Amino acid sequence: EVQLVESGGGLVQPGGSLRLSCAASGFTFSSYDMHWVRQATGKGLEWVSAIGTAGDTYYPGSVKGRFTISRENAKNSLYLQMNSLRAGDTAVYYCARGVATTLYWYFDLWGRGTLVTVSS
Amino acid sequence: EIVMTQSPATLSVSPGERATLSCRASQSVSSNLAWYQQKPGQAPRLLIYGASTRATGIPARFSGSGSGTEFTLTISSLQSEDFAVYYCQQYNNWPPQGPFGQGTKLEIK
Repeated sequence: EVQLVESGGGLVQPGGSLRLSCAASGFTFSSYDMHWVRQATGKGLEWVSAIGTAGDTYYPGSVKGRFTISRENAKNSLYLQMNSLRAGDTAVYYCARGVATTLYWYFDLWGRGTLVTVSS
Repeated sequence: EIVMTQSPATLSVSPGERATLSCRASQSVSSNLAWYQQKPGQAPRLLIYGASTRATGIPARFSGSGSGTEFTLTISSLQSEDFAVYYCQQYNNWPPQGPFGQGTKLEIK
């Protein structure tokens, strides 16, 4: 079955760190650009990071310098290392498969998400 | 920076009726637009890409149209399972605020 399964979410104090994982199955993981997208409760979708097949990485300004995306193709796994966490980072974090076009990406496969709560 | 604006924020429609959702780009995105459906407690699901191409397994009652700055998602005859939040996403460029619209909630009238 083609799927993405996230794990690693939880409660963390402000300033703390957390590492999210995403296990991919049913497709050739190494052939796809992969992304993290988050959603605060009752809010819209916010793109968090991307990693290309060659390991090139991309971030919005809101997380650049604090979050690091990485992948381990041998384990069909995607990761998000989150440091210096803030209350505003509280959200469900989704792993998403990107379909690369001549310009940018849309997302054709999503995981069910993992909840990150930043609170003291 | 391209800003995506969806309207209305909430749309109330009766089952069996047609629903029309709009997405406007602040500048042209050509046909580089996707639509997603998100039900409560679930991940988003890709419905449409390339402004008008249905993704695998998406029923024919879902259709997308438009190009440039004006886009429409039409659901021809609403089923109970169609009541959800719908997001548009452009992939013509990648602005700092992200590529997604703010969403339209489709609710039962």
